[in-house]
Amino acid sequence: QTVVTQEPSFSVSPGGTVTLTCGLSSGSVSTGYYTSWYQQTPGQAPRTLIYSTSTRSSGVPDRFSGSILGNKAALTITGAQADDESDYYCALYMAGGTWVFGGGTKVTVL
Amino acid sequence: EVQLVESGGGLVQPGGSLRLSCAASGFTFDNYEMNWVRQAPGKGLEWVSYISSSGSTIYYADSVKGRFTISRDNAKDSLFLQMNSLRADDTAVYYCARMGWFNFDYWGQGTLVTVSS
Repeated sequence: QTVVTQEPSFSVSPGGTVTLTCGLSSGSVSTGYYTSWYQQTPGQAPRTLIYSTSTRSSGVPDRFSGSILGNKAALTITGAQADDESDYYCALYMAGGTWVFGGGTKVTVL
Repeated sequence: EVQLVESGGGLVQPGGSLRLSCAASGFTFDNYEMNWVRQAPGKGLEWVSYISSSGSTIYYADSVKGRFTISRDNAKDSLFLQMNSLRADDTAVYYCARMGWFNFDYWGQGTLVTVSS
């Protein structure tokens, strides 16, 4: 069974930079997994930030960027703001048309 | 404006059934693939099921295969999830999500399903 791994939590200072990663329990994440990233605040539905590894969704600030770093997908927040404090989830597109989400990363801005 | 509104959640006993609905508006529903994604209380997101725009192609997560059935009515701009043989670990908020280019680009606000005796 495929497991998608994410850091449980990260803390970043206002104005700082943080990089979240999204990996596979077995193997490397490549562009062929069409990694997407979602931001979710408590009680709200998720919001798409990044799709196809590095394409920013409409209306998403350019301080959010996606990439492949080594064998993982990555989401970088540059110049973190207080309202970036959220849970962040990655999702990978798997062979056979299915999707797997990572366990999520809770980002604290303080 | 794209809107997805889920309904049909509630309290059901283990082994019971429930049918969720998702009413879509603000876009041409039969042009888009759709999904169900769920989130157990205090837990992460879990993809549940996918249906193509015509309804001819369907996929399920292993955790629900054989128990859940996804369907759509393009004439009524609606998506459905028939859930049978429900278990306690099916307790979650169920989101209807539109498929954009390899991403879930719009989400509803979700409907809570609680499986408990």
